[in-house]
Amino acid sequence: DVKVTQSSRYLVKRTGEKVFLECVQDMDHENMFWYRQDPGLGLRLIYFSYDVKMKEKGDIPEGYSVSREKKERFSLILESASTNQTSMYLCASSLQGALINTIYFGEGSWLTVV
Amino acid sequence: KNEVEQSPQNLTAQEGEFITINCSYSVGISALHWLQQHPGGGIVSLFMLSSGKKKHGRLIATINIQEKHSSLHITASHPRDSAVYICAVRYGGNQFYFGTGTSLTVIP
Repeated sequence: DVKVTQSSRYLVKRTGEKVFLECVQDMDHENMFWYRQDPGLGLRLIYFSYDVKMKEKGDIPEGYSVSREKKERFSLILESASTNQTSMYLCASSLQGALINTIYFGEGSWLTVV
Repeated sequence: KNEVEQSPQNLTAQEGEFITINCSYSVGISALHWLQQHPGGGIVSLFMLSSGKKKHGRLIATINIQEKHSSLHITASHPRDSAVYICAVRYGGNQFYFGTGTSLTVIP
């Protein structure tokens, strides 16, 4: 059974704290993604990675960074959390190539910044 | 601009009704995905289409490449179908582009 696992389901952090969200996939996928989901806005891409140590900015990278030291693990880092980063964060992975590959999501991490 | 439009945004149905959710996109795609998100957050892939029609149980997904349009149909809807349904497309690269979702509530 394929799996994308996000380390934390619910987090409450203080403004200014450094926050790490971890994601691990067991499918040997090249592509990994971090999205945030807010009501009425749908899924917005923060960063994605298509290989180890490779990353590309998505639509809303400001205030975030990522790390991909191993193929199976993709971390999202909030260097200094702010209240406008309160959201649901979803990690996903997929194989490279367009036609045949679906996308797999983790269960989501609900982050509240107070 | 790569736009994915879904309609309706919200949908309430009586149990047993036939349901249709629509998705339109702006430029040619390589694949279209229908995703389901239950309360609590997790998203699962229902279908991946590049042409024609696919069926899985009570769910049917169709795509018309010329019209840049896809529909997700649910026959004999049930309260457990209540979820957010999201359309996503790929244009040949690694990225996915998502609609804002359709929130479906099926009332017993």
